Amino acid sequence: DAGVTQSPTHLIKTRGQQVTLRCSPKSGHDTVSWYQQALGQGPQFIFQYYEEEERQRGNFPDRFSGHQFPNYSSELNVNALLLGDSALYLCASSPRGWYPDGYTFGSGTRLTVV
Amino acid sequence: KQEVTQIPAALSVPEGENLVLNCSFTDSAIYNLQWFRQDPGKGLTSLLLIQSSQREQTSGRLNASLDKSSGRSTLYIAASQPGDSATYLCAVRSTDSGNTPLVFGKGTRLSVIA
Repeated sequence: DAGVTQSPTHLIKTRGQQVTLRCSPKSGHDTVSWYQQALGQGPQFIFQYYEEEERQRGNFPDRFSGHQFPNYSSELNVNALLLGDSALYLCASSPRGWYPDGYTFGSGTRLTVV
Repeated sequence: KQEVTQIPAALSVPEGENLVLNCSFTDSAIYNLQWFRQDPGKGLTSLLLIQSSQREQTSGRLNASLDKSSGRSTLYIAASQPGDSATYLCAVRSTDSGNTPLVFGKGTRLSVIA
């Protein structure tokens, strides 16, 4: 049973560029959440998708956007990259409703903006 | 607004010691609390999940307790080993409908010296 899969694992972009990160949820999970983790900090919630719509959003600017596909996979897009966007981006999946096992996280995408 | 604090920020112990990591949260109305392990530059591995109605959970050498009324949780690691070296993150999910996001602490960086 595959867990949460994220791609790519590492990415280097130039300030001002745009980036797309991808996530495939664990089998049986239909909800995907994205988190940003800066160095030395705990993960910060960006947004959550289920039924192909953004359902909740954290305190992140509109430069951060996302999408969920019918197969429950998801993309995170960041436009006009800033140096401060350099971080580990984590995807977490969960089933709707009661879930005794909690969230399952992927290995993350390390984004470096230069 | 829920805030999660983890003390200490870093800890170095000799192999074989028993140790306690602390987590506190400001709003006691939580749905559950989850402890994660994170190796450098990697994703999150779930260690233990405690529902708000539970007092503790155990897995091998790990034991997590929850005192919801005082807003505290502890992670106890028995007979520490060098392989336990990692960052340990505490996260809470507030009492709410749907898949509410996790709120994380900044973590405790543990080094177990052989």
